[in-house]
Amino acid sequence: GNSVTQMEGPVTLSEEAFLTINCTYTATGYPSLFWYVQYPGEGLQLLLKATKADDKGSNKGFEATYRKETTSFHLEKGSVQVSDSAVYFCALRRNTGNQFYFGTGTSLTVIP
Amino acid sequence: DTAVSQTPKYLVTQMGNDKSIKCEQNLGHDTMYWYKQDSKKFLKIMFSYNNKELIINETVPNRFSPKSPDKAHLNLHINSLELGDSAVYFCASSQRAGSPYEQYFGPGTRLTVT
Repeated sequence: GNSVTQMEGPVTLSEEAFLTINCTYTATGYPSLFWYVQYPGEGLQLLLKATKADDKGSNKGFEATYRKETTSFHLEKGSVQVSDSAVYFCALRRNTGNQFYFGTGTSLTVIP
Repeated sequence: DTAVSQTPKYLVTQMGNDKSIKCEQNLGHDTMYWYKQDSKKFLKIMFSYNNKELIINETVPNRFSPKSPDKAHLNLHINSLELGDSAVYFCASSQRAGSPYEQYFGPGTRLTVT
């Protein structure tokens, strides 16, 4: 089957700390992978994506690399800010059809 | 311009009532979805429509009925509301084939059943 597993939160970091949120997936074929961010009181927004193996998605200082050999898509940021406090979701879409599979979300709080 | 819009943003109602949530997308996508997000932020797919045809129908009580009058609209009607229906409901859309591959989400409708 298809599924996404991401590290459980909540995660609390000090400003300027390094962030890693782990995400691994199970999928048939070659899925597309995504990270979404949900700020308090808002809907999910696409943060970055990668559509094939070894692709690196990046946006707003966040990065994630599609690793087929380890079936992983870990989210990283070198220096977090208070404004990065949000819930982060890892997701995949199979290469056929249009069903998306989401992880359980990881809540991040950045303190000054 | 808002890509995926939902109305209302907040909905407070009593048990046993019937309510509807509306969703519209102006992205030209052919697939739309309804998700339920619980208090722990877990996101659960409920339904998906492609060109007005139901293609995903997860285990959801029969009290929930989606309706898609055209491919730009997907509404959710809920009968006989229960306390456990309290959640945030998100509409989303995507393109079935080809780029872009991602889903676009609406701002959510917070439903509170008292």
